Amino acid sequence: GAVVSQHPSWVICKSGTSVKIECRSLDFQATTMFWYRQFPKQSLMLMATSNEGSKATYEQGVEKDKFLINHASLTLSTLTVTSAHPEDSSFYICSARDFRDRGNQPQHFGDGTRLSIL
Amino acid sequence: DAKTTQPNSMESNEEEPVHLPCNHSTISGTDYIHWYRQLPSQGPEYVIHGLTSNVNNRMASLAIAEDRKSSTLILHRATLRDAAVYYCILRGLMEYGNKLVFGAGTILRVKS
Repeated sequence: GAVVSQHPSWVICKSGTSVKIECRSLDFQATTMFWYRQFPKQSLMLMATSNEGSKATYEQGVEKDKFLINHASLTLSTLTVTSAHPEDSSFYICSARDFRDRGNQPQHFGDGTRLSIL
Repeated sequence: DAKTTQPNSMESNEEEPVHLPCNHSTISGTDYIHWYRQLPSQGPEYVIHGLTSNVNNRMASLAIAEDRKSSTLILHRATLRDAAVYYCILRGLMEYGNKLVFGAGTILRVKS
C-alpha cells in the first residue's frame, strides 16, 4: 500500500535551534501534503496544507514565520520549526494525498516526529 | 462546531465484535465518512470510508444509516492490537476544502 516516510522519528535539541522535518511519499506523487501537530492526550490539530509549487495555506492561529513549509517536489514536503522553544515540543505528523485523488480516497500518514526542545 | 460526535471511550473483550458509533447529523450530500485509527506514538492509519452504502474491507465494516446522519464502524473480532483511538471524520469535497479535520475520537480498550 501507499507509504509516507517521515524523518526524523524523534529529535531533541536546545532552545533556539531550528529543526527540519521531512515528509516523503514513497510510491505515489502527492500534490498536496498536510502537517499536523499533536500534544499529549489530545487529538491531531491541522497546522497547514502544503501544495506542490505554491505557498502553504496555514490554519488560523498557526504562525507561518515560525513553521516554514516547503513543498518543492511531488514527493517531498518539509516543515522547519524555526527558533524552537520548549512550548514547540510536540508530535508532528505529515500526511500526503495522491495526485489522482479526486476527494474520495484515503489519506496517507507518516509515523510522526517526536520533537523535544530543552 | 464539531462535525462528528463519538463516545469518549469504549471497552471490548478480545475475540468479540466491537461496534463504534459516530453521529454526524449535519453531514452534506457530498461528504464521505472516513474512519482512521491511531495507535500510541504512531501516525493515523486508514481503516475504511464510505458514502451511502455499507462497506467491507479486510480490517472492518462500515454501516451507514439510511439518512446518513450516523454510522458504525464494526470490528468483527477485536484483538489486543486493535486497541487505539478511532476517529470518525467527514471529508467534504467542497465546503471544508477537502481537509481531514480530526475530532477527539473514541479510545478503544481491548481486554484479554
